[in-house]
Amino acid sequence: AQKITQTQPGMFVQEKEAVTLDCTYDTSDQSYGLFWYKQPSSGEMIFLIYQGSYDEQNATEGRYSLNFQKARKSANLVISASQLGDSAMYFCAMREDPTTSGTYKYIFGTGTRLKVLA
Amino acid sequence: EAGVTQFPSHSVIEKGQTVTLRCDPISGHDNLYWYRRVMGKEIKFLLHFVKESKQDESGMPNNRFLAERTGGTYSTLKVQPAELEDSGVYFCASSHHGGTFTGELFFGEGSRLTVL
Repeated sequence: AQKITQTQPGMFVQEKEAVTLDCTYDTSDQSYGLFWYKQPSSGEMIFLIYQGSYDEQNATEGRYSLNFQKARKSANLVISASQLGDSAMYFCAMREDPTTSGTYKYIFGTGTRLKVLA
Repeated sequence: EAGVTQFPSHSVIEKGQTVTLRCDPISGHDNLYWYRRVMGKEIKFLLHFVKESKQDESGMPNNRFLAERTGGTYSTLKVQPAELEDSGVYFCASSHHGGTFTGELFFGEGSRLTVL
């Protein structure tokens, strides 16, 4: 069965430093997508970055990059040059290829709360 | 363009009462999802609509939960009768897959349900 594991309930990082948020996943499918979302204290869920299972390059979006290690089934989020506004909950999510699973269901992890220190 | 909107933002009810949550997806998004997050736990899938049809309702916890999406526009999620364990934040999300595999979810701000 699909599963997303985020083992870090909370993380601290000094402003301007880089931080890595861990995410491992479990799937028997060959085709899937991995997502990271940010949830600030205001509550909305903000899409950050996407990695397809067949993408050979790690995804990057500005200060966000996804360290995709397919053999290890990990999809860690790296935030470079942390800012105070990065303080939030971060959720890793996965969606299997709907052509094989028959559904567009997304599976989420438990989240990591990141606190950026001034 | 308006995002996904949810109403109410917070509801406090007593055990045994009924609550109806509403979600208005982004216009043109055929896919609508309901998720729930209980404090400290994962965001758990409840169900998925494609237009007005329930594509996948495998995450609905029991028959006290009823979701509808009449006309394929907005959706409602009714909990009747509510139990203490139903407390949590209910998120609605929509997406437009359009034949491509990538398609992030656009979330509403959630409806926080507290059952006393």
